[in-house]
This record gives sequence, C-alpha cells and structure tokens, in this order.
Amino acid sequence: DAGVIQSPRHEVTEMGQEVTLRCKPISGHNSLFWYRQTMMRGLELLIYFNNNVPIDDSGMPEDRFSAKMPNASFSTLKIQPSEPRDSAVYFCASSPGTGGGQPQHFGDGTRLSIL
Amino acid sequence: GDSVTQMEGPVTLSEEAFLTINCTYTATGYPSLFWYVQYPGEGLQLLLKATKADDKGSNKGFEATYRKETTSFHLEKGSVQVSDSAVYFCALSDRNFGNEKLTFGTGTRLTIIP
Repeated sequence: DAGVIQSPRHEVTEMGQEVTLRCKPISGHNSLFWYRQTMMRGLELLIYFNNNVPIDDSGMPEDRFSAKMPNASFSTLKIQPSEPRDSAVYFCASSPGTGGGQPQHFGDGTRLSIL
Repeated sequence: GDSVTQMEGPVTLSEEAFLTINCTYTATGYPSLFWYVQYPGEGLQLLLKATKADDKGSNKGFEATYRKETTSFHLEKGSVQVSDSAVYFCALSDRNFGNEKLTFGTGTRLTIIP
C-alpha cells in the first residue's frame, strides 16, 4: 500500500515568497496532521483535520500559515509570506480517524529552507 | 494535560550492547502507547505499540511493556546493531473518541558504534 506522500521533498526559496506544501494521506484514513520539526523546538503539531474539517489549529504559529483539505485525498500547508525562521522539516501524517488510540503514519517530509 | 518524558540523549553504545530508553507518561485517561523511530532524512515510523496495561509491543527485536503502575513504557533491545542508529520517540494517544492527537516525547538520539 502507498504510504503518505508529500511534495516537494525539498524547497529552497527567498523570504517573502509564498510556499505551498502538499500531502496525500493513506487512502481510507480520515484524519490528517501537519507537523513541523526543528532542532530547537523538536516536533510540533500545527493542525489536524478529521473528515476534511480542521479540528485543532492551535499549533499554527501565526496568520502567515494556513492549511486546507479540500477532499479526503489532498491537503496543503501554505506559508505567505515566508520568513527564514520558517525553515524546518514539515511532516504530514494520517491515521484511520476511527477514534483515539490509533497510530499515525508519517510521510518523508518536506525540508524547507527560507533564505 | 497529557505529557511524555523520555531520557535525554544522545545515547552511544557499542554494537551488540543492551539498550534501554526510558519513557514515562502522564495522562488523564487510559492511553495507547507507541514508540516511533526516525532514521536520517526520513519521517517517523511506527516501531511498536501497546494499547492496555501489561501489553508488550515488539518489533525488529525491540520490546516495550505498558506498565500502568509505574506509568512507564521503556524501550529495550538485547543486542543493538549499527543499523539501529536513529532517533526514537515515545508517544501516547488519548483513547477518547474524537481526540486523534499524539503527544510525543522530545526524542532520544541513539548512535551505535561498530
């Protein structure tokens, strides 16, 4: 079975530019999660969706960040405008969404560098 | 709220040594417990899990037992290999319906020397 698919794997751009990260969850999974990982702050949950609806966005750092899930097989995380401090690895994960206690399955991440 | 505390790293061991990475948790409910592993340049992979007290999760020679009385889920392996070098995360998930979030520990970096 295909796992969680993220694109691009690497992104390098200049500050002020818009960045869009993409995620395709595992087919049949109803919950989707966006994380950010840095050396300083470790792994942080940014937002999670259940059945395409945002359930908890309390981890989204500020208004420059937005996330959408237009359908069950696709989600985007957008940063506009980007800043150097947004440099990190961004992970998408999905889970069956059938209740708590389920493991999450992670993609390989997008390594984002803002110059 | 829920929290996970795992031993500080980095941990460096020689090949074939015995490994223990400690993990303790605080949870208001009755959580499921997980160990994830992250190899360089990759995402987190589920290593093993346990869903109730005294359950033992195991995979690839790693084991962890859900100890409710000590609120612990320590990761062990009898003989580590160079290929086990990675970052290991302990995590819990509240079993209440509608709460899908995982609470992660800070991760423990493990390096195995030949």
